[in-house]
Amino acid sequence: SQTIHQWPATLVQPVGSPLSLECTVEGTSNPNLYWYRQAAGRGLQLLFYSVGIGQISSEVPQNLSASRPQDRQFILSSKKLLLSDSGFYLCAWDRGASGNTIYFGEGSWLTVV
Amino acid sequence: AQTVTQSQPEMSVQEAETVTLSCTYDTSESDYYLFWYKQPPSRQMILVIRQEAYKQQNATENRFSVNFQKAAKSFSLKISDSQLGDAAMYFCAYSNYNFNKFYFGSGTKLNVKP
Repeated sequence: SQTIHQWPATLVQPVGSPLSLECTVEGTSNPNLYWYRQAAGRGLQLLFYSVGIGQISSEVPQNLSASRPQDRQFILSSKKLLLSDSGFYLCAWDRGASGNTIYFGEGSWLTVV
Repeated sequence: AQTVTQSQPEMSVQEAETVTLSCTYDTSESDYYLFWYKQPPSRQMILVIRQEAYKQQNATENRFSVNFQKAAKSFSLKISDSQLGDAAMYFCAYSNYNFNKFYFGSGTKLNVKP
């Protein structure tokens, strides 16, 4: 069966520090991968999506970047965090055209102080 | 980009009653998918129901059913016989036909009163 893991689950970082959130998917190949952010009391905002290794599309201009160094690995990064980067980050995957829904990781709470 | 709008930030329903959550979306595509997801306090996203745009028949899943109005671009969720465990945030979502983009609404918080 397919599983998705992301870590760390909780992170408290000072303003200006770097960020690295990692997500891996197991049990499938060539998935579509996503990073979403859920700010407090708000909905899900699509940040990045990837249809293959090295292929990253950004939905909104921001302080964050994403990379896909391997087929089932998706990394969310920042060189210098801002207070506004605080939120709940969700990694997700789907099977593309042969799939029927999107699957989410456990989420990562980021607090920038 | 496609947009998904949920105009009800919060709703309440009495246990065993029926409640309807609203969702509208904007797209220029003719084939796509629509979803309702539930996010309990644990924050894990759970698929509730799925609708293919090319199907005229409304999807149902036990106590959950949708009213899909393609021309109006409306996709509401009806929860019958509401239970305390139904209390959660509910997100409406849209996916294009190729399944390479998912967009979510801002969510509706559902409270269930005993």
